[in-house]
Parts: sequence; structure tokens; C-alpha cells
Amino acid sequence: AQSVAQPEDQVNVAEGNPLTVKCTYSVSGNPYLFWYVQYPNRGLQFLLKYITGDNLVKGSYGFEAEFNKSQTSFHLKKPSALVSDSALYFCAVRDRDTGGFKTIFGAGTRLFVKA
Amino acid sequence: NAGVTQTPKFQVLKTGQSMTLQCAQDMNHEYMSWYRQDPGMGLRLIHYSVGAGITDQGEVPNGYNVSRSTTEDFPLRLLSAAPSQTSVYFCASSYSLTGDNEQFFGPGTRLTVL
Repeated sequence: AQSVAQPEDQVNVAEGNPLTVKCTYSVSGNPYLFWYVQYPNRGLQFLLKYITGDNLVKGSYGFEAEFNKSQTSFHLKKPSALVSDSALYFCAVRDRDTGGFKTIFGAGTRLFVKA
Repeated sequence: NAGVTQTPKFQVLKTGQSMTLQCAQDMNHEYMSWYRQDPGMGLRLIHYSVGAGITDQGEVPNGYNVSRSTTEDFPLRLLSAAPSQTSVYFCASSYSLTGDNEQFFGPGTRLTVL
């Protein structure tokens, strides 16, 4: 079975500092991994994905994430946080080998960036 | 392109009432899905469809029905609303059936069941 864990309900960071939002996953086969962001009263927006190839993937708004197969992690990072990055972030996984058409989402991590 | 649209934005129902949440996309996506979002639980998949006439259950399908008569539309029906169905509902679509493409989400429907 597929599962995603986002161990932190909330992450607080000062503007200009680097940020990390953690995600670990569990799949039987090989994963497709995604990060989405949700702003208040809005639907989710795609940030970036890992499909295959380079373990470091870059996405929208300066975000990047590193796929680590041995640690089954896909942490989201940004070198310098902005107040406008404050939002709810979701990690998602789909097992490309056995997961069928189902994508599983984590519970979400709320990011607060303080000016 | 309008992307993924959902109606209504807000709805209040009484226990036992039925209703249909509408979802449409104009991107010619084959894959469409319905999720519910509850605090601390993230998004949970209710039903999904891989093309017109083809639907299947997700993680939490009980109490919900879907149909897919066209590529564009994927309505979600609540048969007899219960307070446990109070939630925010999101419809999403994706170009690829192979799972390597991101999903596009609608703005959501906030449903309260009294």
C-alpha cells in the first residue's frame, strides 16, 4: 500500500532564511512524487515532481526537492523564504508499478514565513 | 481555458438530503478525480475516472456516486447526506493516465451537512 508522511504540522521560518518541508513515502514499487501548494480558499497548485533521472528537481517559485531513495524521502526546499510562500504544502505519491491510478496525499504542512 | 471548474462554491444541506457537485474541465484530460479535504487528514480520494464511461473507487467511496458520460464532466452525487460528509471537495484532472503528470485542481466546494 502507498502512504505519505509529512511529520511536521507546521514549519516557521524567517523571511530570507532557507526552508525545508519534510516528506517521506512508502510504496511497493517505484514512486512518482509530487509537491503541491494551497493558498487560503483556493485549490491545490502543482509545484514540482520527480519522475525519473536527476534526484534534484526544480520547480515553480524557486522551490526544489531532492529524491532520496534510500531514505524514501522527498523534502521540499527553498534557499530564501518569502512571506508570500506562507501556505499549506502537500506531498503526494503514486506507485508507478502497483498503484494503479491512485495518488495518495500527505496530511499537509503549514508554512509560516515571518517578515 | 477555464481549467477545472466546480459548482457550487458553498452548500448547506440537511441530513438525508441529496445533491450533486458539478465538475467540468476543458483541457481534454482523460483522468478526473474527486477528493475531500479534512483538517489534519490531507486529501483523500473518493472516486476517479480514466475516461468516459469508466469510473472506480478511491479510498473513501461510501456515500458517494459518480458517473462520466463525457470527457469534460465528472459529477459527484451525495445520495443521503450525513454530517460526516461535511468537508471541502476538490475535483482534479490530469492529462496522463500513466501517473507521471500533475493534476489540475478546481477551486473547491465547501459543503456543510447539518
